[in-house]
Amino acid sequence: AQTVTQSQPEMSVQEAETVTLSCTYDTSESDYYLFWYKQPPSRQMILVIRQEAYKQQNATENRFSVNFQKAAKSFSLKISDSQLGDAAMYFCALLRIQGAQKLVFGQGTRLTINP
Amino acid sequence: DTEVTQTPKHLVMGMTNKKSLKCEQHMGHRAMYWYKQKAKKPPELMFVYSYEKLSINESVPSRFSPECPNSSLLNLHLHALQPEDSALYLCASGTGTVYEQYFGPGTRLTVT
Repeated sequence: AQTVTQSQPEMSVQEAETVTLSCTYDTSESDYYLFWYKQPPSRQMILVIRQEAYKQQNATENRFSVNFQKAAKSFSLKISDSQLGDAAMYFCALLRIQGAQKLVFGQGTRLTINP
Repeated sequence: DTEVTQTPKHLVMGMTNKKSLKCEQHMGHRAMYWYKQKAKKPPELMFVYSYEKLSINESVPSRFSPECPNSSLLNLHLHALQPEDSALYLCASGTGTVYEQYFGPGTRLTVT
């Protein structure tokens, strides 16, 4: 079984500052992908960033980057230069490659941006 | 274009009604998904279609009936729902190469 844990139900950050959202996971699979999704109050789930487990290099998408620690089963998201539009619920998710390819989500972290 | 569309945006139905939710994508994705999301919770997988065939049913009650008429369309037929079925229903489509899933805006369903 696979599990994803987000230990921070809520976080807040000042506009233009940097914030890191935590995620840990558990899986016995060797091949898997990790994702961060963002769901603003308007409710559309948006893919933020993807990390392949076989890649050592941390993924980066503009102001969003991850710290992927495979041995520790940790996958944190760093948001630099936070903007008001970054306010949303952030979900960490795991997808195994073999067998039934089901996204397993964490419980989410609600991020508030203070102007 | 990474757009998945869903109709209707909102739906209110009685427990004896029959209604359908519709999802459409034109990205050439061959996997499509239905999720149910309760307030302040993560999405829960309901069904997965791969190449227009049902590949995963997460033990969903039979009052929910999925249908995939073609590779671009996904329907969810609803019948005799319960008030606890009220939720946001999300559709997603996925690529087979990088395993990304793209979500639609959802249908907010209220069962009265």
